[in-house]
Amino acid sequence: KAGVTQTPRYLIKTRGQQVTLSCSPISGHRSVSWYQQTPGQGLQFLFEYFSETQRNKGNFPGRFSGRQFSNSRSEMNVSTLELGDSALYLCASSFGLELSTDTQYFGPGTRLTVL
Amino acid sequence: DQQVKQNSPSLSVQEGRISILNCDYTNSMFDYFLWYKKYPAEGPTFLISISSIKDKNEDGRFTVFLNKSAKHLSLHIVPSQPGDSAVYFCAASHSGNTPLVFGKGTRLSVIA
Repeated sequence: KAGVTQTPRYLIKTRGQQVTLSCSPISGHRSVSWYQQTPGQGLQFLFEYFSETQRNKGNFPGRFSGRQFSNSRSEMNVSTLELGDSALYLCASSFGLELSTDTQYFGPGTRLTVL
Repeated sequence: DQQVKQNSPSLSVQEGRISILNCDYTNSMFDYFLWYKKYPAEGPTFLISISSIKDKNEDGRFTVFLNKSAKHLSLHIVPSQPGDSAVYFCAASHSGNTPLVFGKGTRLSVIA
């Protein structure tokens, strides 16, 4: 079956702009989680959506937001971009029955560079 | 406050030998632990997991050991192969719909 897809794969923006990233989960998966990976910081959890509702939220400012559609596709938005937002943004999907033990399947990520 | 720590940023091992990757955690509520492997330009892929009711889980060449009293887990790869060269992330969670907490990763290089 098709894996998790993320678009775009690469993005360059300037400070102050906003950006929207997209994630299409594996068919049948209802949970989508987003992570930020920066050099030396590992994967930091942004938020998780299940059945169009935000079920979990990490410790990121309100400039980071997301949503999920009825077909489980998800978007995340970052407004008023800062240099420190440059990172690899990963999304992961799972069945969502129990997030803590579900196997999460990751997409290849979107590499965002903020100039 | 880092709840999951991988103190070795990198590790080099010769092909055929054992690779041991370590992970420490601070949150005693964690009861489920996972290892993910990541190649460049790809997303992480699930490798192996262990629940706190066990102290060992094995899958082929990969074995994860959990020492709850020390809040420590390790991943053993035997024998190591060049294709195992990747970044390995340790992750932990506690029961319920709570998100995974990841370590910063250890880059493993297996030298032929």
